[in-house]
Amino acid sequence: QKEVEQDPGPLSVPEGAIVSLNCTYSNSAFQYFMWYRQYSRKGPELLMYTYSSGNKEDGRFTAQVDKSSKYISLFIRDSQPSDSATYLCAMTSSGGSYIPTFGRGTSLIVHP
Amino acid sequence: EAGVTQFPSHSVIEKGQTVTLRCDPISGHDNLYWYRRVMGKEIKFLLHFVKESKQDESGMPNNRFLAERTGGTYSTLKVQPAELEDSGVYFCASSQGGRGDTQYFGPGTRLTVL
Repeated sequence: QKEVEQDPGPLSVPEGAIVSLNCTYSNSAFQYFMWYRQYSRKGPELLMYTYSSGNKEDGRFTAQVDKSSKYISLFIRDSQPSDSATYLCAMTSSGGSYIPTFGRGTSLIVHP
Repeated sequence: EAGVTQFPSHSVIEKGQTVTLRCDPISGHDNLYWYRRVMGKEIKFLLHFVKESKQDESGMPNNRFLAERTGGTYSTLKVQPAELEDSGVYFCASSQGGRGDTQYFGPGTRLTVL
């Protein structure tokens, strides 16, 4: 079983839709949860960062962590064609390695 | 401020040849990381430099891979001899501090071994 599972997609939605991207994980030691956005031919760019459980909002983006279910989500409201990219979840533990464990990434396509 | 740069952007070599990838971190970033993404798989950690010292090289797959960071500035990753399974995208990232600091990624070098 992989430590972090993420559906690669692609996920295709119309402009303006609410997008839900998700990851599950198996390592209960993970405490820091990150979402990266990667455009084609570019490197991953940190989008949001959450510690432990709860929600965090930044503009149209909301990150949600449910540690009891080992499940994290990224919601994008009013999606735009410019949001089309690959979204990768990543996580690290608090006491162990600070090196992130990545999911495979979900390819998102927002069509006009 | 310039971001992390990597050279070349794409390299195609034959099995058995040698390839050297270069990474220039953001100026002033002491921490430099190498990652690799094999097609269809996750991004995997290779190693971490703090200045010119290797802090963690637990992700290096075997002794065909050699990373250096002379003078604590740019870093090189040499693969010698290259094998087919080495194909993938090699990312470099840098951060100012270590644990917990945001890592800024370069665009990657796409390596194809034929």
